[in-house]
Amino acid sequence: AQSVTQLDSQVPVFEEAPVELRCNYSSSVSVYLFWYVQYPNQGLQLLLKYLSGSTLVKGINGFEAEFNKSQTSFHLRKPSVHISDTAEYFCAVSRRNQAGTALIFGKGTTLSVSS
Amino acid sequence: DAGVIQSPRHEVTEMGQEVTLRCKPISGHNSLFWYRQTMMRGLELLIYFNNNVPIDDSGMPEDRFSAKMPNASFSTLKIQPSEPRDSAVYFCASSLLAQETQYFGPGTRLLVL
Repeated sequence: AQSVTQLDSQVPVFEEAPVELRCNYSSSVSVYLFWYVQYPNQGLQLLLKYLSGSTLVKGINGFEAEFNKSQTSFHLRKPSVHISDTAEYFCAVSRRNQAGTALIFGKGTTLSVSS
Repeated sequence: DAGVIQSPRHEVTEMGQEVTLRCKPISGHNSLFWYRQTMMRGLELLIYFNNNVPIDDSGMPEDRFSAKMPNASFSTLKIQPSEPRDSAVYFCASSLLAQETQYFGPGTRLLVL
């Protein structure tokens, strides 16, 4: 079975500051890793994903994440946040090489960017 | 290209009533997922289909919940009878069977009074 832990439920930051949202996972099998963003009253939008290859993946809106296999982590980072980045962020995993399987989500991290 | 379409977007009903949520996946996608989002439990899988066949319904809370996918372009999630604890946002997502990325609909916000 897989599980995802997002270590911070809320992260308040000031505009233009850097931010890191932490995600750890547990799995007995190899997994794919994802970050999704949810803006208020909207569905989930894919930010980025790690499937294989380079452990540093870049996504939309200037976000990036680094896969660390030894620490079973997939932290999300942005060097300078904007007010518009205020949203809920979800880390998720799915089983590798098993297409058509469900995502297992973390509880989410609320990023609040203020001026 | 249209994304995943869900209807209704909002539903308010009274306890004991039947509720039907609808989902139209992205054209060509052959995997469809139903998730539920609540404050207490976060995002959790209810059921998913591959090629219209239910693969895993272990997340369906109880017999009051049922889901169908009669064809590749339509799925329903039914709650009968509904209870206040069913109040949540219900998301439908779709993907290509050979790909990992799931695309989410806008969700249906259900309130059971």
